[in-house]
Amino acid sequence: QLQLQESGPGLVKPSETLSLTCTFSGGSIRSTDYNWGWIRQSPGKGLEWIGSFHYSGDTVYNPSLKSRVTISADTSKNQLSLKVNSVTAGDTAIYYCAYWSRSSGWFDPWGQGTLVTVSS
Amino acid sequence: DIQMTQSPSSVSASVGDRVTITCRASQGIGDFLIWYQQKSGQAPNLLIYSASSLHSGVPSRFSGSGYGTNFTLTINSLQPEDFATYFCQQANSFPLTFGQGTRLEI
Repeated sequence: QLQLQESGPGLVKPSETLSLTCTFSGGSIRSTDYNWGWIRQSPGKGLEWIGSFHYSGDTVYNPSLKSRVTISADTSKNQLSLKVNSVTAGDTAIYYCAYWSRSSGWFDPWGQGTLVTVSS
Repeated sequence: DIQMTQSPSSVSASVGDRVTITCRASQGIGDFLIWYQQKSGQAPNLLIYSASSLHSGVPSRFSGSGYGTNFTLTINSLQPEDFATYFCQQANSFPLTFGQGTRLEI
């Protein structure tokens, strides 16, 4: 059974880089059958798709975030990472990683989420 | 971007009731419509994909319908565990987008 867990700093200062990790169990990030995604949720913006990743390097980003976001994989640790540069208070949200079905577009399962607050 | 609009934003119901939630896309998305349930403090859970296909393990009292721009999620015979927030998501084109949510309250 696939399980995911996000981790990273809960507090990031404005203009700095937000870095999160998603660790998988029950599956391999290197599997060609798997796609992965990052989604965030905030009271002001609701659920917002950040981007989706496949081990082959086929990565798609939300254009609204593309210039500041990088999604990559650490295969030795079976982890997915998310980096968001130049953060502002608007990046304060709960960040989720999830398995993504490329063919049907759904996300499931999701990690439990991690709250990131951007504040000085 | 495709805008997803849910209605109502909140609804009150009782155990045993039937509830219908609507999701409208700003342009046609075929059947690339997904429904999630989110309980307080938890991540969303997949309920329905491809507009009407029930995800494994989801009770049959949940059903979805629609095509193009108008979609509905129906919950028959509400159970106490169904009181939660429901979101729709379109997967027809990037960027993937979500509705703002419908809160189902007792």
